[in-house]
Amino acid sequence: DIQMTQSPSSLSASVGDRVTITCRASQNISNYLNWYQQKSGKAPQFLIYGTSSLQSGVPSRFSGSGSGTDFTLTISSLQPEDFATYYCQQSYSTYTFGQGTRVEIK
Amino acid sequence: QVQLQESGPGLVKPSETLSLTCTVSGGSINNHYWGWIRQPPGKGLEWIGYSYYSGSPNYNPSLESRVTISVDTSKNQFSLKLSSVTAADTAVYYCARCGYYSGWFPFDYWGQGTLVTVSS
Repeated sequence: DIQMTQSPSSLSASVGDRVTITCRASQNISNYLNWYQQKSGKAPQFLIYGTSSLQSGVPSRFSGSGSGTDFTLTISSLQPEDFATYYCQQSYSTYTFGQGTRVEIK
Repeated sequence: QVQLQESGPGLVKPSETLSLTCTVSGGSINNHYWGWIRQPPGKGLEWIGYSYYSGSPNYNPSLESRVTISVDTSKNQFSLKLSSVTAADTAVYYCARCGYYSGWFPFDYWGQGTLVTVSS
């Protein structure tokens, strides 16, 4: 099974900050990496597929990068609506989610 | 706009079988993969399994012995059965569509989720 490890587990940031979340796979997953955003009490929403391709309607302040085993999600200028939990997910071999990164208001 | 809605009992007794149905509206269930994901209270997401509309399910190895996912194209629904449940199976259960994006298959549409509690 492929394990996904995110870091940090949580972070505190201010509006306007640049935020980076890291996701590491236990083996090479090429670029089969997706990102989701989940707000409290809501279903996750799909943000990015194939490591770096934004889903339609996702603001351009979100970006993804990486390949192989190491990936990042970057929010270039954090907005109030971005405070949420973010999950990476590999789709190279079935599916596995990371444990999540909670982005809180500083 | 595709919409998904989970339905089923919110309370299941230990050792019994959890059964949920996901109804798809605003689009056809045909030609897509459909999956189930769960989230224990205060914890992260766990993929349970998925099935193509015509069959060939694939399950999380940690749950494979207890899980069945099936699709009913006549009703535009798919379902989840999880047998021999324990308190550890208490979670919000989400149904979702596996979209096709240039060779990638993220979960692009999700139901709102339904809380299932395992308790006597």
